[in-house]
Amino acid sequence: GESVGLHLPTLSVQEGDNSIINCAYSNSASDYFIWYKQESGKGPQFIIDIRSNMDKRQGQRVTVLLNKTVKHLSLQIAATQPGDSAVYFCAEKRGSTLGRLYFGRGTQLTVWP
Amino acid sequence: NAGVMQNPRHLVRRRGQEARLRCSPMKGHSHVYWYRQLPEEGLKFMVYLQKENIIDESGMPKERFSAEFPKEGPSILRIQQVVRGDSAAYFCASSPPANLGGASTDTQYFGPGTRLTVL
Repeated sequence: GESVGLHLPTLSVQEGDNSIINCAYSNSASDYFIWYKQESGKGPQFIIDIRSNMDKRQGQRVTVLLNKTVKHLSLQIAATQPGDSAVYFCAEKRGSTLGRLYFGRGTQLTVWP
Repeated sequence: NAGVMQNPRHLVRRRGQEARLRCSPMKGHSHVYWYRQLPEEGLKFMVYLQKENIIDESGMPKERFSAEFPKEGPSILRIQQVVRGDSAAYFCASSPPANLGGASTDTQYFGPGTRLTVL
């Protein structure tokens, strides 16, 4: 399953499938990106990050891809599990600002058994 | 190693009252950030503090809102004379100083949030 972030805020996949969550950013000065997972009633949980000098980074079952040419970021989750159901946010840090993160609207991922 | 702690988890106030939200960063972290989240929206930056200093408050309303991070004790976000529009989830995040084992100061770790309801 695949989402386009701001335009399709929901994504439903079957357990075991791979999920792709997309995020577009607009600021060329953005130099650091983070994906967070937020479950209902909880705070955002760090998943994986990537710097602008990289194109790809892998974690456990997750991969983040960064395409600076088109200002696009994606999170791939392999073998999606019911416990992956949550809202996923991409956040960016812009080189010109101190510390603050800019968050996208989020994508609701629902995993069906 | 305890994560970021926030209290209270839920806070109910009547219009015109004051709300105080507390945040204890992760051990060894000296940077604190406050964000606000409205239902079904992303987080919006409010303020960035280091010990005894406000670094960036550009996201915080000019009136009624204030934040501090004293030398001792937690960071406090204070909202005076609350209005219904202040109802939201308020999240605190922390990040390490640059010299803490090479950890990045850019990575922010979030607490569980305080859900403020204004009646």
